[in-house]
Amino acid sequence: EVQLVESGGGLVQPGGSVRLSCEASGFTFSTYWMSWVRQAPGKGLEWVANIKNDGSEKYFVGSVKGRCTISRDNAEKSLYLDMKNLRAEDTAVYYCTRDRGGATPAPFESWGQGTLVTVSS
Amino acid sequence: QSVLTQSPSVSAAPRQRVTISCSGTSSNIGNNAVNWYQQLPGKAPKLLIYYDDLLSSGVSVRFSGSKSGTSASLAISGLQSEDEADYYCAAWDASLNAWVFGGGTKLTVL
Repeated sequence: EVQLVESGGGLVQPGGSVRLSCEASGFTFSTYWMSWVRQAPGKGLEWVANIKNDGSEKYFVGSVKGRCTISRDNAEKSLYLDMKNLRAEDTAVYYCTRDRGGATPAPFESWGQGTLVTVSS
Repeated sequence: QSVLTQSPSVSAAPRQRVTISCSGTSSNIGNNAVNWYQQLPGKAPKLLIYYDDLLSSGVSVRFSGSKSGTSASLAISGLQSEDEADYYCAAWDASLNAWVFGGGTKLTVL
């Protein structure tokens, strides 16, 4: 069974930084693209970033470019999202997702339960 | 303002059929596959339909997807109370080099 478990969320001050982690199990992590998708309270879904299975390609939504880094450790089966210069509008539940595989771009087939990041003083 | 456009809400009675639409451009829906996600209250989203019209594993055959030009639709037949959820369309946008979502449609089963 595919499992994605996020951690690292919490209360962060404006201008601060946070590192989100996602531990994967139940599948061969090193063969899938992975993504982060966020959802602000009461709002819709917003894709944040993704990374190719070998880490050689990365893409970001415009609003986080320059403030976000996505990385992965295939040996540890973990995905990371580092965010800096956090703003109130970054407040959201952050979901770790695994792509379906096959032809790219592939849909988000598996989702974690999410971790909440609250940016507030 | 979402890149893909969805109606904010739709409602229908049990056992009826409802359609949720998603409108985009040639940069996204017009040249890339559309995927649909269901989000039940308080839960993580779930993939329903992928590559425009393929049913994700374990999803009821009451759900179906279609696409024409720069618009896509999700149809739900034989509505049940458990279908009450938010539904999102998504596609890769080749101009933005980014995944884009619709704003979501809240389905109410009367």
